[in-house]
Amino acid sequence: EAAVTQSPRNKVTVTGGNVTLSCRQTNSHNYMYWYRQDTGHGLRLIHYSYGAGNLQIGDVPDGYKATRTTQEDFFLLLELASPSQTSLYFCASSDRVGNTLYFGEGSRLIVV
Amino acid sequence: GEQVEQLPSILRVQEGSSASINCSYEDSASNYFPWYKQEPGENPKLIIDIRSNMERKQIQELIVLLDKKAKRFSLHITDTQPGDSAMYFCAASVGTGSKLSFGKGAKLTVSP
Repeated sequence: EAAVTQSPRNKVTVTGGNVTLSCRQTNSHNYMYWYRQDTGHGLRLIHYSYGAGNLQIGDVPDGYKATRTTQEDFFLLLELASPSQTSLYFCASSDRVGNTLYFGEGSRLIVV
Repeated sequence: GEQVEQLPSILRVQEGSSASINCSYEDSASNYFPWYKQEPGENPKLIIDIRSNMERKQIQELIVLLDKKAKRFSLHITDTQPGDSAMYFCAASVGTGSKLSFGKGAKLTVSP
């Protein structure tokens, strides 16, 4: 099964703080995604990427930046964290369009 | 992005009975419709999917139906077991692109 690893698994930061969530996949997948999961909202797409150096805007991108440095690594950046960004963040990867998404274990972020 | 409506948000059934979750989508170009199961504290995992060239697909106790004309698809779990208790998310591809939009989820509880 595809391996997607996220770090950190848990993070607490203050309002205005700077946070980077990391994601690495080891299955040579081209596509990587960042979702946030909130009760009552399901999974919402923040940013995604087709490959190294590529970045596509998702459905809820405000307040987030992302960077895909290699095929394996996809980062989500919160430069001025706000309490509304308290959430469970999932990274996912897939090998091509219309194929299975493999999710990481999630990163829980609390902004106080 | 694609809007995926999912109902009901909560359902409770008795062990051995059937459970049904319904989803609708907007973009008639969408062609891929997966279902993900998320157990408490875990990441979402694909359980079954259907593409637009099919109307019905079954894997063991899971049945997915797709009505392209009505832009609706549904998951039916027959002979439910307590192990089926989880959150279930439907999703639809956005057009023929690589974005998946998820419904808000349905929490299924199967009582012994």
